[in-house]
Amino acid sequence: EAQVTQNPRYLITVTGKKLTVTCSQNMNHEYMSWYRQDPGLGLRQIYYSMNVEVTDKGDVPEGYKVSRKEKRNFPLILESPSPNQTSLYFCASKYYNEQFFGPGTRLTVL
Amino acid sequence: GQNIDQPTEMTATEGAIVQINCTYQTSGFNGLFWYQQHAGEAPTFLSYNVLDGLEEKGRFSSFLSRSKGYSYLLLKELQMKDSASYLCAVSLGNAGNMLTFGGGTRLMVKP
Repeated sequence: EAQVTQNPRYLITVTGKKLTVTCSQNMNHEYMSWYRQDPGLGLRQIYYSMNVEVTDKGDVPEGYKVSRKEKRNFPLILESPSPNQTSLYFCASKYYNEQFFGPGTRLTVL
Repeated sequence: GQNIDQPTEMTATEGAIVQINCTYQTSGFNGLFWYQQHAGEAPTFLSYNVLDGLEEKGRFSSFLSRSKGYSYLLLKELQMKDSASYLCAVSLGNAGNMLTFGGGTRLMVKP
């Protein structure tokens, strides 16, 4: 089944403890992206990647890192999470103009 | 900065037609998307407009006027399962790789 997967789906952590949210797609898409979704603010793009080893900032990249060493994987790294990064995170991959979103990761930073 | 506006909430009756508007003021434009998002789920793609005019896909249609910075999503023959949030998003950048979303419109369909 063609899909985008994210892990973990739910995570509660504490301020400053490094974490990684994984994202994987099995559709051989070159483009992948990370978003966060907050009430009243909608979806906001964090980072995107055009292909392996090619990444670029979206609208809200501060406090996040990404890497793209393989086409299928695009992990989101929070080196020192803070409470304002509590949010719902979505990974997506794109083929032509259609984006396919993962199921989301709900992150709480205490 | 980028600005995309859509109503926060709308209510409509099963079987009716509803139009969800979206206005945008952005630096650059490579197309406009509509997504549907049910509560607690991921957004799913509905439509993409890059040229002015109406795109029809079953019960859903999307319209774009680039000169007016305006789009709408038209849902016909509303069903209860259409209760969801509808997200308007503008594609920016040279290759349209940046996507900026509006806040979403929560549609409630009542019997």
